[in-house]
Amino acid sequence: AQSVTQLDSQVPVFEEAPVELRCNYSSSVSVYLFWYVQYPNQGLQLLLKYLSGSTLVKGINGFEAEFNKSQTSFHLRKPSVHISDTAEYFCAVSEGVWGAQKLVFGQGTRLTINP
Amino acid sequence: DGGITQSPKYLFRKEGQNVTLSCEQNLNHDAMYWYRQDPGQGLRLIYYSQIVNDFQKGDIAEGYSVSREKKESFPLTVTSAQKNPTAFYLCASTIAGGRYNEQFFGPGTRLTVL
Repeated sequence: AQSVTQLDSQVPVFEEAPVELRCNYSSSVSVYLFWYVQYPNQGLQLLLKYLSGSTLVKGINGFEAEFNKSQTSFHLRKPSVHISDTAEYFCAVSEGVWGAQKLVFGQGTRLTINP
Repeated sequence: DGGITQSPKYLFRKEGQNVTLSCEQNLNHDAMYWYRQDPGQGLRLIYYSQIVNDFQKGDIAEGYSVSREKKESFPLTVTSAQKNPTAFYLCASTIAGGRYNEQFFGPGTRLTVL
């Protein structure tokens, strides 16, 4: 079974600073990876996804992630954060046979932006 | 607008009571999922359904039950057998039969046991 590890439970940064949220997954033949964001007391919203092709994936709100197969990583980055980016971020991997996939989530990383 | 609705947003339950959380989607998605979220533990899968009248247990199904009588609805019942039900519950859906599994989420229901 797949597993996902988010290496930092909390990441505090100052506004306009760059940020990286780290995610590692267990190896698989083919892998589909996702980053979701959750604002307080809300559901999850898709930030970006990697299915195939270019290893650099761009998402909403200025976020991007890089798929690194050799390191089994899918780290999320943003060059300059805003107060509104304060949220919890979840990395997820799709597992299962065709037509019966499930998502396996990491533990989440709480991003706090300080003015 | 298409989307997923969950009701109620907040739910309070006395110990020993069963409660049912509603999840409805108008995205014409085949598959639906229920997750439980606790602080610091991410999302854990309770039940999922790939098609009407069929569902499977997830990783933490004990103390929960579901039904899938209609494509757009997937209610979750938290029974009295669930020892620690206080949590945030999220419903999700996706198109089944695809190559991957991008899930769309509802706004969640926060259940508190008094």
